[in-house]
Amino acid sequence: DAKTTQPPSMDCAEGRAANLPCNHSTISGNEYVYWYRQIHSQGPQYIIHGLKNNETNEMASLIITEDRKSSTLILPHATLRDTAVYYCIVRVAGNAGKSTFGDGTTLTVKP
Amino acid sequence: GAVVSQHPSWVICKSGTSVKIECRSLDFQATTMFWYRQFPKQSLMLMATSNEGSKATYEQGVEKDKFLINHASLTLSTLTVTSAHPEDSSFYICSARVDRGPWSGELFFGEGSRLTVL
Repeated sequence: DAKTTQPPSMDCAEGRAANLPCNHSTISGNEYVYWYRQIHSQGPQYIIHGLKNNETNEMASLIITEDRKSSTLILPHATLRDTAVYYCIVRVAGNAGKSTFGDGTTLTVKP
Repeated sequence: GAVVSQHPSWVICKSGTSVKIECRSLDFQATTMFWYRQFPKQSLMLMATSNEGSKATYEQGVEKDKFLINHASLTLSTLTVTSAHPEDSSFYICSARVDRGPWSGELFFGEGSRLTVL
């Protein structure tokens, strides 16, 4: 799995959009970008994944640059319950091997 | 998505006793499951890969006799911490890889189990 780099922490005001960046400059052509989040004392929760096109679901949007070397997870209207550690992982889809978690980004949503 | 359940959510035990943690895929079959350990303010560390019907594969530095893994069915893997000591206190998390269906090949995680050894 390719290595990813994320900022250690970010703050966001409640109701505003939270934009979480991830660098994955060594991503391979068949690797997808996955995002998970971990709320305190819970297991990781799947958020979204994508290959090269931008993706959106009920939780978030994923913007992947054209060269695929970086991406941004967007929470359009952050709430206090979105406070969590967000992990960006790159790997081949459909046959998930052991996923390596980096340190992630601790997002703190403030009132 | 798919649902993975862990039990117990938390457990307190005395030093020297053994503790079993269960990981169940509730609405899908999972030939492969993974076990992680997480210490406070740290990321998840993969301990082992659990395969139904065969021996688990342990990561370097993880004692296989200490952390016994059994994957007896396509929906259940268990992690037994044998002769637990205070340094084994941690948050243990499992994940399961979906065998078939719309989420085939993807990973879903359990809620985690917090072990405290006194």
